[in-house]
Amino acid sequence: EAGVAQSPRYKIIEKRQSVAFWCNPISGHATLYWYQQILGQGPKLLIQFQNNGVVDDSQLPKDRFSAERLKGVDSTLKIQPAKLEDSAVYLCASSYGKVLRRGRVSYNEQFFGPGTRLTVL
Amino acid sequence: GNSVTQMEGPVTLSEEAFLTINCTYTATGYPSLFWYVQYPGEGLQLLLKATKADDKGSNKGFEATYRKETTSFHLEKGSVQVSDSAVYFCALGDSSYKLIFGSGTRLLVRP
Repeated sequence: EAGVAQSPRYKIIEKRQSVAFWCNPISGHATLYWYQQILGQGPKLLIQFQNNGVVDDSQLPKDRFSAERLKGVDSTLKIQPAKLEDSAVYLCASSYGKVLRRGRVSYNEQFFGPGTRLTVL
Repeated sequence: GNSVTQMEGPVTLSEEAFLTINCTYTATGYPSLFWYVQYPGEGLQLLLKATKADDKGSNKGFEATYRKETTSFHLEKGSVQVSDSAVYFCALGDSSYKLIFGSGTRLLVRP
């Protein structure tokens, strides 16, 4: 089974430029996540999609970041304009989504892509 | 809000030594708990998980027990190998299917 694909793997831009990242989740996975991982820290969730709808974007800096998941499959994350502090690895993950067992919500494993390392100069 | 705290690294051990990486959490409700591993140059991989109190997750010789009374999920391995050198992340999964990660602990195993 193919894993989560991301491109590009590396990107270097000047501050105030724009950049876009692409993610292709595992086939059949309804839930897609974008995380930001700053060097030396754990990943932080930016946005969560269920199919093509946004479930949670509370941590997304909406003045400069945007994301979409058209047709409920691939997703793009865009930064415009970029700041120095946006330098990080951007991780995409996917999972099957919700499973209910005996009235209790069950968590499905998230599968992570290799990430895109962004350097803003 | 929910949060995860794990011990700072790096942790440096000799091959065949015993490993413990501490992880504690703060959460409402009944979270699931995870350990993810990131090998050099690779993406995050799920190492093990536990979905309810007193569950023990295990994989590749690693173990962690979900302790609700101490809000902990410490990672242990009886005998580490050089190939275990990586960054280990403790994470909490809430009812909204979000993962909240700790800051990571780098493990370096020397031959």
